[in-house]
Amino acid sequence: ELKVEQNPLFLSMQEGKNYTIYCNYSTTSDRLYWYRQDPGKSLESLFVLLSNGAVKQEGRLMASLDTKARLSTLHITAAVHDLSATYFCAVTSDSNYQLIWGAGTKLIIKP
Amino acid sequence: DTGVSQDPRHKITKRGQNVTFRCDPISEHNRLYWYRQTLGQGPEFLTYFQNEAQLEKSRLLSDRFSAERPKGSFSTLEIQRTEQGDSAMYLCASSLAGYLEQFFGPGTRLTVL
Repeated sequence: ELKVEQNPLFLSMQEGKNYTIYCNYSTTSDRLYWYRQDPGKSLESLFVLLSNGAVKQEGRLMASLDTKARLSTLHITAAVHDLSATYFCAVTSDSNYQLIWGAGTKLIIKP
Repeated sequence: DTGVSQDPRHKITKRGQNVTFRCDPISEHNRLYWYRQTLGQGPEFLTYFQNEAQLEKSRLLSDRFSAERPKGSFSTLEIQRTEQGDSAMYLCASSLAGYLEQFFGPGTRLTVL
């Protein structure tokens, strides 16, 4: 059974600092997704990572994928308050369309 | 706006009542998904359509739940005889076959009293 674990589940940090969120998954999957969710809102797609060694960057966020280690990271550089949200990673199951989700990392960035 | 839309956004009902939610996907998307999300958790897959065909149902989807996509466009999710444990955010997403991203609607928040 495909399982996804994120850590930490909660992160409070100061503006300007760097930090990394980790996403581990239990079996082979070649597609990994990062989504952002603001309180009471829906999910916004951030990144889709397809292959081993893939790296994508958008603004202060950078995501990478190591399929051999079954690990993805979401790195935040010089955090700003607007990045406060819950970040989810998800992977596809064998059926190639059903997303299996982590529990989310709630990120609070203090001014 | 041509994003995924859901209606209603909020629904409060009493235990035992039936409720129905609607999802309108992005117009050219032929795949439609339903997920359920409880507070503090990631979404859980419920069911998936390609055009009008329901191709997969999670074991989470008890026989009180039914979903349809009659013409391959909008979809409805019905919950019969609601229970307090059904309280959650119900999310709809759509995608194009062969494309990777699922685009999510704003969700319907269900509260069962």
